[in-house]
Amino acid sequence: GAGVSQSPSNKVTEKGKDVELRCDPISGHTALYWYRQRLGQGLEFLIYFQGNSAPDKSGLPSDRFSAERTGESVSTLTIQRTQQEDSAVYLCASSPHYSGGAYNEQFFGPGTRLTVL
Amino acid sequence: KQEVTQIPAALSVPEGENLVLNCSFTDSAIYNLQWFRQDPGKGLTSLLLIQSSQREQTSGRLNASLDKSSGRSTLYIAASQPGDSATYLCAVSGNTGKLIFGQGTTLQVKP
Repeated sequence: GAGVSQSPSNKVTEKGKDVELRCDPISGHTALYWYRQRLGQGLEFLIYFQGNSAPDKSGLPSDRFSAERTGESVSTLTIQRTQQEDSAVYLCASSPHYSGGAYNEQFFGPGTRLTVL
Repeated sequence: KQEVTQIPAALSVPEGENLVLNCSFTDSAIYNLQWFRQDPGKGLTSLLLIQSSQREQTSGRLNASLDKSSGRSTLYIAASQPGDSATYLCAVSGNTGKLIFGQGTTLQVKP
């Protein structure tokens, strides 16, 4: 079946512009995660959606970052007034319903490479 | 705060060798541990998931072990092949499901 998809695959923008990144999770997966990977650094958690619960936004680096998810489908990560330090690969992952105390395997999309000039 | 460390940072071996990648984490209160591979310019491919109650998982030539009390996991790759060349990432999740990643081990298998 189809995996996690992300669009665009590459985005080049000018400093100060807003950008929107899209993630389509695997159908039926209730949990959705956004991570960021800056050049030469490890992956950082940004935000997590689980069903209709309030999202865990603890990883968002500033109030310029926000994300939305409609039900259990598409999610959009928005970065306002982009800065050069926002340049990174933004990765989205989804996983099946959390149950029985066990978090399930996360499946990642190919990522969006964001370059802020 | 959970921290994940992977050793070595880079590894180069001749084809056919068996090898071990190491991962350690500072907080043993994890829900699961997941190993991924990442090819240059690509996303992450899940290799193995070990639940906190499990000791190991196997998939083909890969075997991952977990010693939760000591905060360690190893990924064993048998009979390495050039196609195994990639960066291998270890990640743990706590009670929120979000993954905390190590910096990765970059593996090169020479023909």
